Amino acid sequence: NAGVTQTPKFRVLKTGQSMTLLCAQDMNHEYMYWYRQDPGMGLRLIHYSVGEGTTAKGEVPDGYNVSRLKKQNFLLGLESAAPSQTSVYFCASRWTPRDRANTGELFFGEGSRLTVL
Amino acid sequence: RKEVEQDPGPFNVPEGATVAFNCTYSNSASQSFFWYRQDCRKEPKLLMSVYSSGNEDGRFTAQLNRASQYISLLIRDSKLSDSATYLCVVTWNYGQNFVFGPGTRLSVLP
Repeated sequence: NAGVTQTPKFRVLKTGQSMTLLCAQDMNHEYMYWYRQDPGMGLRLIHYSVGEGTTAKGEVPDGYNVSRLKKQNFLLGLESAAPSQTSVYFCASRWTPRDRANTGELFFGEGSRLTVL
Repeated sequence: RKEVEQDPGPFNVPEGATVAFNCTYSNSASQSFFWYRQDCRKEPKLLMSVYSSGNEDGRFTAQLNRASQYISLLIRDSKLSDSATYLCVVTWNYGQNFVFGPGTRLSVLP
């Protein structure tokens, strides 16, 4: 089972370039998330999606856009990369149990390491 | 104030020691609580959920105090393989908000 797959795993960009990170999950999960992780900051939520065709802003959405055109894919875009966006990006997905108060486990991809020069 | 705060660490303990991590959260409407483990340069993985009555999984014990908005993780008989960063996670709004603490790094020394 592939679980959650992120591509690319590593990327170096120049300031002002654009790129898209792809997250794909094969577990039929409804909820998907994009986080960034920086030293001393923990994981911070960028955007999330509660289903196909829906997206919402998280804690640090500025400079990023997302799309969820298919249930299994969640794309994170950087339109004009800045050095402050150098980080490790994690995608995660979650099963939504019938009892919505029990929020279930997050499954993460292996991360995408982005450096913006 | 950050929504989820943890002991800053790092914790360096000898094998066999007992170590406790603390976590506090600010949102009184928080619904679910978890401890995740993250190995160096790897993705986080669920260690255990935290229930109001407290729960135990082998050498690991988690406690929740809703009144004080406080969560703890106790590791007994530490192993070298327990070395990792431990992340406290709090959710609300039926899981639309999954908020991670900054993590506490543990190094178990031989």
